[in-house]
Amino acid sequence: DQQVKQNSPSLSVQEGRISILNCDYTNSMFDYFLWYKKYPAEGPTFLISISSIKDKNEDGRFTVFLNKSAKHLSLHIVPSQPGDSAVYFCAASESNFGNEKLTFGTGTRLTIIP
Amino acid sequence: GAGVSQSPRYKVAKRGQDVALRCDPISGHVSLFWYQQALGQGPEFLTYFQNEAQLDKSGLPSDRFFAERPEGSVSTLKIQRTQQEDSAVYLCASSTSTGGNQPQHFGDGTRLSIL
Repeated sequence: DQQVKQNSPSLSVQEGRISILNCDYTNSMFDYFLWYKKYPAEGPTFLISISSIKDKNEDGRFTVFLNKSAKHLSLHIVPSQPGDSAVYFCAASESNFGNEKLTFGTGTRLTIIP
Repeated sequence: GAGVSQSPRYKVAKRGQDVALRCDPISGHVSLFWYQQALGQGPEFLTYFQNEAQLDKSGLPSDRFFAERPEGSVSTLKIQRTQQEDSAVYLCASSTSTGGNQPQHFGDGTRLSIL
């Protein structure tokens, strides 16, 4: 039973354009959401997070949007750069309930075309 | 470096052997997590420590898996009588506090291959 789903295994975007990665979840107890970026043979690197009390969080080129009613979040990267090519994982936790373990999606491979 | 450090980076073992994987968290981080990542999948939770206390081991797949963090810093994940299905990347992560909404920071993992 996949509680966090990333339905697009891959995405290709032209350099300079906007990349939009999507994530859906089923567990209504999730209250903290994160995006990680992963290069081959490296561990996931934390990018940006959002608490369930917000619907948007921005950090430089990265913005995460949360739609609680739809149980959906998305990561926007603008403008996209070649170095953004990586696998992106969405993750969630029941943080405020004292359960900090992360549940991950299966990832989306983003390729930025120069 | 200041990040989470894991060793060894690669480990090859024969089926039935015992292995031990080490994690050095970021200095001062109270919380430590172990995850298992199979090829093409996202990381899956194994176990969680708050200082030296193992508060959640619900993700450990069998009693062949054992983790410890005796002094609240370095942690070891041990797998006894390894099986081929144990082949995966084992990731360690740490975070600053036990409060909510703290991102976990990951090491580069140990890639375990069981022959």
